[in-house]
Amino acid sequence: DARVTQTPRHKVTEMGQEVTMRCQPILGHNTVFWYRQTMMQGLELLAYFRNRAPLDDSGMPKDRFSAEMPDATLATLKIQPSEPRDSAVYFCASGLQASSGNTIYFGEGSWLTVV
Amino acid sequence: GENVEQHPSTLSVQEGDSAVIKCTYSDSASNYFPWYKQELGKRPQLIIDIRSNVGEKKDQRIAVTLNKTAKHFSLHITETQPEDSAVYFCAVYSGNTGKLIFGQGTTLQVKP
Repeated sequence: DARVTQTPRHKVTEMGQEVTMRCQPILGHNTVFWYRQTMMQGLELLAYFRNRAPLDDSGMPKDRFSAEMPDATLATLKIQPSEPRDSAVYFCASGLQASSGNTIYFGEGSWLTVV
Repeated sequence: GENVEQHPSTLSVQEGDSAVIKCTYSDSASNYFPWYKQELGKRPQLIIDIRSNVGEKKDQRIAVTLNKTAKHFSLHITETQPEDSAVYFCAVYSGNTGKLIFGQGTTLQVKP
């Protein structure tokens, strides 16, 4: 059963520390999205990649957030330095890009708490 | 830019009644419209989707309708059951940018 894998599942860290979240997309998928969700609010798009190239990261605070895709099996989202307002669930999702849209599948999420 | 509005934000219905959630969008290049269901503490999961060349799609108790001219689409759940209680998100995919943008979500409560 193919699925998107995210690590860590839960992370508690102190303000100012670096946080790195990792995502393994479904094998063969060429599109990866990072979303942030707070208190069961909407899904805020932070960044997305197609064929490992970043297409848009305008939703991401540039001063502290960075997203990369070192290879086709790994996407990373890094926060440095972390702040309490970054506490949220970070979802990675992957799909197979098609001009008419693609179904994307979500990972279980990384639950981040910054104290 | 892209914008997706979803209404209502909360919806309470009696078991067996129907529920309707509506979304509007702004990007005329949008061509794919999925709906996701998210249970508490879980990830969003796709329940139904529709593409721009289709006006309606049905899967058992759920259906989605699309009006491209008016730029709105709706989710219809019939014969609601308590297990339908969850947060529902609409989303809009732009064929130009490749972005998938989500609505704000609707919390559906089905009372037994």
